[in-house]
Amino acid sequence: QQPVQSPQAVILREGEDAVINCSSSKALYSVHWYRQKHGEAPVFLMILLKGGEQKGHDKISASFNEKKQQSSLYLTASQLSYSGTYFCGTVTGGGNKLTFGTGTQLKVEL
Amino acid sequence: DVKVTQSSRYLVKRTGEKVFLECVQDMDHENMFWYRQDPGLGLRLIYFSYDVKMKEKGDIPEGYSVSREKKERFSLILESASTNQTSMYLCASGRSDGYTFGSGTRLTVV
Repeated sequence: QQPVQSPQAVILREGEDAVINCSSSKALYSVHWYRQKHGEAPVFLMILLKGGEQKGHDKISASFNEKKQQSSLYLTASQLSYSGTYFCGTVTGGGNKLTFGTGTQLKVEL
Repeated sequence: DVKVTQSSRYLVKRTGEKVFLECVQDMDHENMFWYRQDPGLGLRLIYFSYDVKMKEKGDIPEGYSVSREKKERFSLILESASTNQTSMYLCASGRSDGYTFGSGTRLTVV
């Protein structure tokens, strides 16, 4: 079952913040976040593991709430280069099956 | 840098043909995945493999099969191509701490 992402789309002005949410109907073992620019392959951003801490690099960070079976991606002081489609991928239970959500289209404008 | 190479960028095949999509990685990764990407549906998992000759069905395996005879190569096979298999196909490879995607094969079945 695909995780559910929200919002489906968001438009920001440069410098604004955004939050993208990802929720699962099953207990999560790990959550992956990827960004895909138009016409390109998805690129790995970060992974959050069960029992792990909030992660981040530069102005992009993420949290993982095991109880709520949710993860959130935080984009701070957005830049034009942040535009793209963000996907969360979830691994539930053991094993390596990585299932993605339907994506969140983010557009940053001047 | 990890390289994940998909043999064709664009492919046009006729209905009923047997189609082979190839994916090769150069990093001795255990895990390899095949996804299809369609507008509004995100990335949907077709099959994945966690070792040579090992495979597991993803969420939409019907009409597809896979082969992994060597660790570096993971093939997706459309047994009898149909027009509803027209899509972008993406291969991913890695260990459980993050995956690298190939640049994709856009398959059109006419």
